Amino acid sequence: GAVVSQHPSWVICKSGTSVKIECRSLDFQATTMFWYRQFPKQSLMLMATSNEGSKATYEQGVEKDKFLINHASLTLSTLTVTSAHPEDSSFYICSATKQGIEKLFFGSGTQLSVL
Amino acid sequence: GESVGLHLPTLSVQEGDNSIINCAYSNSASDYFIWYKQESGKGPQFIIDIRSNMDKRQGQRVTVLLNKTVKHLSLQIAATQPGDSAVYFCAENIGPSYGGSQGNLIFGKGTKLSVKP
Repeated sequence: GAVVSQHPSWVICKSGTSVKIECRSLDFQATTMFWYRQFPKQSLMLMATSNEGSKATYEQGVEKDKFLINHASLTLSTLTVTSAHPEDSSFYICSATKQGIEKLFFGSGTQLSVL
Repeated sequence: GESVGLHLPTLSVQEGDNSIINCAYSNSASDYFIWYKQESGKGPQFIIDIRSNMDKRQGQRVTVLLNKTVKHLSLQIAATQPGDSAVYFCAENIGPSYGGSQGNLIFGKGTKLSVKP
């Protein structure tokens, strides 16, 4: 199998604080991980592509200084939402690719609510 | 711009009936397509995929049809069950030959499937 674990499942924070979301590939090495953002009743929007050992590639319109991505190992990528504001409240989802397999394996998502 | 879209935002079917969810894509360079199922508050779950050199692929109770002539993708669910209620997304990958990368998918808007008991 190919299991991707995402933590936490939900988080509530105060405006101005930072929140870290973890994405782990449990039984495979993921050279590439992707971070998506999803608003209610909308589709997934790619935020950035994270490659192990290198800087993340951000999609147009996504602030790299606000959404810090670290992919320090082949099994872990983190997304940190810095100085969160209510408009950052959303469902964040990570996914990972397994070598030789084209389809993505998704985490369970993190619901972020910024008060 | 090029995008993946869906014809129907919502679909309501009776339990036991067959469901058909449609998707239109506009990127002729796309060579790989996937259907995902997303339940409320969860991440997308892989259902079935198809490459552009095929026009039909079957799984367990699901069939994906690809019509490259009209750039249309559909997901058929046989004997729909209450557990099939979810939002279904199609996604496309234009492939590395055209600048895409492995796993870099473009998602459609989604269709909400509701199954009535």
